[in-house]
Amino acid sequence: QEQLIQSGAEMKNPGSSVTVACKASGGTFSNSAVSWVRQVPGQGLEWMGGIIPALGTSNYAEKFQDRVTITADESMSTVFMDLRSLRSEDTAVYFCARDFYNEDGGIEYNWFDPWGQGTLVTVSS
Amino acid sequence: SSELTQDPAVSVALGQTVRITCQGDSLRKYYASWYQQKPGQAPILVMYGKNNRPSGVPDRFSDSSSGDTASLTITGAQAGDEGDYYCNSRDTSGTYLVFGGGTRLTVL
Repeated sequence: QEQLIQSGAEMKNPGSSVTVACKASGGTFSNSAVSWVRQVPGQGLEWMGGIIPALGTSNYAEKFQDRVTITADESMSTVFMDLRSLRSEDTAVYFCARDFYNEDGGIEYNWFDPWGQGTLVTVSS
Repeated sequence: SSELTQDPAVSVALGQTVRITCQGDSLRKYYASWYQQKPGQAPILVMYGKNNRPSGVPDRFSDSSSGDTASLTITGAQAGDEGDYYCNSRDTSGTYLVFGGGTRLTVL
């Protein structure tokens, strides 16, 4: 069963940047996109953006557009999420997930499966 | 604020049926997917699209959609079904993906 393996916890100072990696244990992200979702402690899930590794095209939520970059290295079967200008409110667990798309009777839908284990990013001086 | 609205908390008696709803204008055009999350764990997919269930998810989980509301139904709730449930779909522009605020399910 495929797994997504994320890089380890990070502690960062305000104003710095963080990179979180997500590697496919099955060796490829073909036929899907990869999305990043974050969860601030005690709060809900928040979609940040995603990438189609085979095409290199990415799409970001408006809230994060000026601070996040998602890239993919297909040779490493790894997707990276860079978040800049960190502030204390960015302290959260960051998840990657394979992001699939289909349609049924003309109605489109997406789904995320599987998810990585999550990476805690703590922003504090 | 989320474009998808969920009740913050729902409870159900052991063995009874519970429906968790997700409301938003975009659900008139797109199906939802549903995730279960337990404390300290990553979410897992439980239903997606038009009543699609991943392998390994019990058949007591089902979903439906009507108008601007998507629903996740658990028929015969078990203690292990406790957790937070999130819906996800596209926003009204179709450009972005959004989550509902989540519903905490308690099995009494």
